[in-house]
This record gives sequence, structure tokens and C-alpha cells, in this order.
Amino acid sequence: EPEVTQTPSHQVTQMGQEVILRCVPISNHLYFYWYRQILGQKVEFLVSFYNNEISEKSEIFDDQFSVERPDGSNFTLKIRSTKLEDSAMYFCASRRDRGEFYEQYFGPGTRLTVT
Amino acid sequence: EDQVTQSPEALRLQEGESSSLNCSYTVSGLRGLFWYRQDPGKGPEFLFTLYSAGEEKEKERLKATLTKKESFLHITAPKPEDSATYLCAVQAPGNTGKLIFGQGTTLQVKP
Repeated sequence: EPEVTQTPSHQVTQMGQEVILRCVPISNHLYFYWYRQILGQKVEFLVSFYNNEISEKSEIFDDQFSVERPDGSNFTLKIRSTKLEDSAMYFCASRRDRGEFYEQYFGPGTRLTVT
Repeated sequence: EDQVTQSPEALRLQEGESSSLNCSYTVSGLRGLFWYRQDPGKGPEFLFTLYSAGEEKEKERLKATLTKKESFLHITAPKPEDSATYLCAVQAPGNTGKLIFGQGTTLQVKP
């Protein structure tokens, strides 16, 4: 069964460093997402991506964040200068199409720890 | 403001003791309500999609129902392996598919 994969599973970085989180969405999916979950809190939407451009972003997704689909399979989230408050689980998700009748499938997540 | 509220926050059941989890939502034009299961340290695992009031979906011991204001996840005769956090999410208005999540209900089923 196809699944969303993410690497690394755990990333430890120092405050101010750049990190890139990687995701491989399900192959025939067209919509891609990043969410994050701070420990003990709700899953929060960060950004959606369709047709090689951002279709929506949240207030959290400021200039320190960027997304890219560098080739036909990978989808990345870059945080340019990490802060302590960026420590969270980051989930990638993908959806087959834009209609109402398609659910999102989530990857296993990357735990980001900023020290 | 679009919002999802789940109750209770935590639920402890004995194996075989049936119960229900609640998800209340306010959204301007529901475009889908989704139930996910999340195990500790893992990503949400898709369970059900509901689109219109009166709709019901079933999978093994789980049954999801939908009204105009809330959804219920009924768990019949649960087993210890059903222990997890159950997340409810609604699709926000617009075409991007953005999901708005509740805080989840953590279910523990004791043998």
C-alpha cells in the first residue's frame, strides 16, 4: 500500500541553524501539505502546495519557512534560522486531488529538537 | 472562526466496555469531516471521511456518525489495541484542503 515517507525521523539542531525536512508523498497525489504538532498540542496547518506553488499558508509560515518540490518525488520544508519554539513534530501529508472527496494521508513525522 | 472541539480529552475503558467520543465543529460550509487515529510518536492514520448529516461509516469496532453540529466515534467492545489518540478534523472552506484539527481524545483500553 502506498504511503508518505519522511526523513529524518529525528533532527537535533542548534538555534539559528538551517534545517531541511524531507518528504516523499504518495506518487499519484497532487496536493501536498506540511503540518506541525508541538508536544501536547493540536496538529496545526502550516502550508499547502499545488501545481508547484503555495496555495495557502498559515500565520506560522513566515519568511523563515519555505517549501520546494525539487523533483517529481520529493517535497521539502526548509526552516532558515531555527528558534527554540520551532521544536515540534512536523508532518507531511498528501492528497490525490483538490475535490471534496479525497482524504489526506500523513507521513510518520520528523521530530525537530532545537537546542 | 472555524473551530473543532473534542471531548472528553481522555477516556479510560475496560476491554469490552463500549463508549463514544464527541467532535463538535463550527465551520462555514462543511466540506468534509475526518477521523484519524494517532499512536504516540507517529503520524495521524486515516480512518473515516463524512460529508453530510446523517452519514455513517464503519470499520471493525469503530463507527463514525455525523450531524449538522457534531460527529461521534462509537467504539464497540474495544480491545487494548484500540488504545490511541483519536483526532477529528474538518476541511476548511476553499479549495486547498487545509484541515483544522481538534485536540484529540486519548483512549486507554485496559485488559
